[in-house]
Amino acid sequence: AQSVAQPEDQVNVAEGNPLTVKCTYSVSGNPYLFWYVQYPNRGLQFLLKYITGDNLVKGSYGFEAEFNKSQTSFHLKKPSALVSDSALYFCAVRDRAAGNKLTFGGGTRVLVKP
Amino acid sequence: GAVVSQHPSWVICKSGTSVKIECRSLDFQATTMFWYRQFPKQSLMLMATSNEGSKATYEQGVEKDKFLINHASLTLSTLTVTSAHPEDSSFYICSAIFSGRPLYNEQFFGPGTRLTVL
Repeated sequence: AQSVAQPEDQVNVAEGNPLTVKCTYSVSGNPYLFWYVQYPNRGLQFLLKYITGDNLVKGSYGFEAEFNKSQTSFHLKKPSALVSDSALYFCAVRDRAAGNKLTFGGGTRVLVKP
Repeated sequence: GAVVSQHPSWVICKSGTSVKIECRSLDFQATTMFWYRQFPKQSLMLMATSNEGSKATYEQGVEKDKFLINHASLTLSTLTVTSAHPEDSSFYICSAIFSGRPLYNEQFFGPGTRLTVL
């Protein structure tokens, strides 16, 4: 079985400061890892993914994430947060051997204050 | 590219009626579509996997006779909530897999449909 944990329900950060949203995962095989962002009453927007290769993945809107196999983590980061980054962020994992199903973490609400 | 639409974006219905939600891949063919539901302030829960031309595969605990899924073409899947009750009120989100490279197997999400059952 695959699972994802986002230990923080909410992250508060001042505009211009670094933003980190934590994610750890569990899969039986090799993972595909994803980050999505959701704005109120909207679907999910893709931010970035790790499939293979370089552990540091760069995505949309200045976000990046680092795949750490030993710690089974895939934390999302942004060097300088914007007020417009305030949203709900989901980490998701797919076990390559388990088909196409995505398992989502519980979500982390990010609030960037001006 | 890789746009997924849902219709309607929101719907209010009376208890006991049925509601159909459409999910379309606008600029690609989707061999597989997924249906999720999301309760307020909660994560997405997979309801079912829909494959074109075959029966949907439902997750444990999801009533297949209540949530009817039809994937009649490579660009359209529909979810029908039959005999809806207030507890079915939720945000329903679909996603579609684009089977072509280099986006192989990546899921693209629709904007969601908010269902309110009175």
